[in-house]
Amino acid sequence: DQQVKQNSPSLSVQEGRISILNCDYTNSMFDYFLWYKKYPAEGPTFLISISSIKDKNEDGRFTVFLNKSAKHLSLHIVPSQPGDSAVYFCAASRGSGTYKYIFGTGTRLKVLA
Amino acid sequence: GAVVSQHPSWVICKSGTSVKIECRSLDFQATTMFWYRQFPKQSLMLMATSNEGSKATYEQGVEKDKFLINHASLTLSTLTVTSAHPEDSSFYICSAPAPDYEQYFGPGTRLTVT
Repeated sequence: DQQVKQNSPSLSVQEGRISILNCDYTNSMFDYFLWYKKYPAEGPTFLISISSIKDKNEDGRFTVFLNKSAKHLSLHIVPSQPGDSAVYFCAASRGSGTYKYIFGTGTRLKVLA
Repeated sequence: GAVVSQHPSWVICKSGTSVKIECRSLDFQATTMFWYRQFPKQSLMLMATSNEGSKATYEQGVEKDKFLINHASLTLSTLTVTSAHPEDSSFYICSAPAPDYEQYFGPGTRLTVT
């Protein structure tokens, strides 16, 4: 039972354009969401998070949107850069302090120069 | 940001043998660490929570006698895959919450069982 889903396994975007990565979840008890970026043979690195009390969180080029009613979140990267090419995982947890994350399957982003 | 290391980064072992993977927090102390495994093109699956000074807690479906976890100190947790079989071949990643309240992941260990 995949509680966190990323239905797009891959995405290609031209440099300078917007990248939108999507994530859906099924467990309504999740109240803290994160996005991680992962390069091959490396561990995931934290990008941005959002609590369920918010619907948007922004950090530089990265913005995460949360739609609780639809159980959907998205990561926007604007403008996209070639260095953003990586696998992006969304993750969810019940509470920000538990650190027990349920990860999605990942979306491979390729930013074309 | 904080740094979490893993050793080895890649290991090949024969079926039936045991292999130990180390996870270290290099610049902070971690009373709790987490162990994940990732199969190709799949998500990271939480296996267990490693607790310093006490027993690890395992997620449902994870065999605690097969995946032995020891949190020997505030900077070291080890995962031992006992009597490894080819189906245990996977990418194992540890993580630890740091004082800045973010969770940092190690670079992972690729285990191949032949």
